Amino acid sequence: GAGVSQTPSNKVTEKGKYVELRCDPISGHTALYWYRQSLGQGPEFLIYFQGTGAADDSGLPNDRFFAVRPEGSVSTLKIQRTERGDSAVYLCASSLTSVTGELFFGEGSRLTVL
Amino acid sequence: AQSVTQLDSQVPVFEEAPVELRCNYSSSVSVYLFWYVQYPNQGLQLLLKYLSGSTLVKGINGFEAEFNKSQTSFHLRKPSVHISDTAEYFCAVGAPGGSYIPTFGRGTSLIVHP
Repeated sequence: GAGVSQTPSNKVTEKGKYVELRCDPISGHTALYWYRQSLGQGPEFLIYFQGTGAADDSGLPNDRFFAVRPEGSVSTLKIQRTERGDSAVYLCASSLTSVTGELFFGEGSRLTVL
Repeated sequence: AQSVTQLDSQVPVFEEAPVELRCNYSSSVSVYLFWYVQYPNQGLQLLLKYLSGSTLVKGINGFEAEFNKSQTSFHLRKPSVHISDTAEYFCAVGAPGGSYIPTFGRGTSLIVHP
C-alpha cells in the first residue's frame, strides 16, 4: 500500500520567502506529526495532529511556522519569512493509534534557504 | 518529559563483527521504546519496538534490543553486521496515552567496513 508521501522532496528558496510543504499520510491514520531534522541531529518534534485539530504545537519554533490539516488527511506546513536557520529536512509521519506506538515516516522535504 | 541519549555519534566496525549501539532514556512514566533506521536518501523505518512483556525484543535484519528498566537503557545489538547495515540509527521513546509524541535521540552512524 502507499506510504507517507511528502512534496516537494527538495525546495530551494531565498531568505524572506514563503514556503509550503505538503504531507499525505497513510490512509486511515488519524495521527499526523511534523518533525524537523537538521544535519547530524535526530528528528525534532514540531507539531502533532489528531484528526483535524492540532493536539500539540509546542515544538513550533516561532510564529513564522504554522501547519494545517483541514480535512483530517493531508497536512501542510507553512513557513513565512524564511530564514537561513530554517534550512533542514522536514519529516512527516503518521500513525494509526498510539496503542502500537509506531510512526510511519515519509522521505522528507529538504528545505534550503539561501 | 522524556529524553533520549545516544552517546555514540559514530560506530565504525568491520563486516561480520558484532555491534552494540547504546541508548539511554529518561522518563517519569512508563514508556514505549523504539529503534528506527535511516538508510542514505531514505525515510526512517522501524527496526524494532518495546511496548510491554519480554524485555528482549527482536527486529528486522537480525537486530535485537534489550529493555533494562533499572539502567533505563535500550541498547541495540547485532551479532554479525553486513556492509548493507551502514546507516543512521535512531533510538526513540514515547509515553503511551494522551498526546503521544515520541522523542528521538540524535542518532548513531553505523559504518561497516569490508
